[in-house]
Amino acid sequence: EDQVTQSPEALRLQEGESSSLNCSYTVSGLRGLFWYRQDPGKGPEFLFTLYSAGEEKEKERLKATLTKKESFLHITAPKPEDSATYLCAVRPPGANSKLTFGKGITLSVRP
Amino acid sequence: DVKVTQSSRYLVKRTGEKVFLECVQDMDHENMFWYRQDPGLGLRLIYFSYDVKMKEKGDIPEGYSVSREKKERFSLILESASTNQTSMYLCASSTSGSPSGKNIQYFGAGTRLSVL
Repeated sequence: EDQVTQSPEALRLQEGESSSLNCSYTVSGLRGLFWYRQDPGKGPEFLFTLYSAGEEKEKERLKATLTKKESFLHITAPKPEDSATYLCAVRPPGANSKLTFGKGITLSVRP
Repeated sequence: DVKVTQSSRYLVKRTGEKVFLECVQDMDHENMFWYRQDPGLGLRLIYFSYDVKMKEKGDIPEGYSVSREKKERFSLILESASTNQTSMYLCASSTSGSPSGKNIQYFGAGTRLSVL
């Protein structure tokens, strides 16, 4: 069974304190790994898609990387507005557009 | 911009009521999805649809049904609401794309349903 594990469950950072969020997966033949951001009471907002090991994507203070077993979302010099839950999802082969989601990582950035 | 609209942000229903959650997308997407999200459990797929009048069960379809009469609209139906269906319900849509296509799922704002 395809599994997606995100760690840690929650992370508290001081403003400016860089860190990384981890997403480990056990999918063979990955056809895409997706990162979403979700603010409280709202729907997930798409951030990045990664397709092959070694690929990297960046957006402002966020950088996503992918290996054959895991993905990292690196947050550089975070600000309080980066506080949110970050979701990771994978698309296995033959799944059309279905995604398997991890449980998310809740990030809090203190000013 | 892709827009996925869910008809209600908050709903309060009684046990045993029939409940309809509506979702509309404006990007001519082939695929539509219904998830529920619960603390500690993450997003779980209830039903999805690849085309009009087509539906497939997700991971937790029990107690739910769906309807897709038009391409842009996907409805989730709780036949007889129960307290364990209190949850956040999220609708999403995506293109079909190629096997290596982007197929990004875009989400609505969610409906928080309370069943009393």
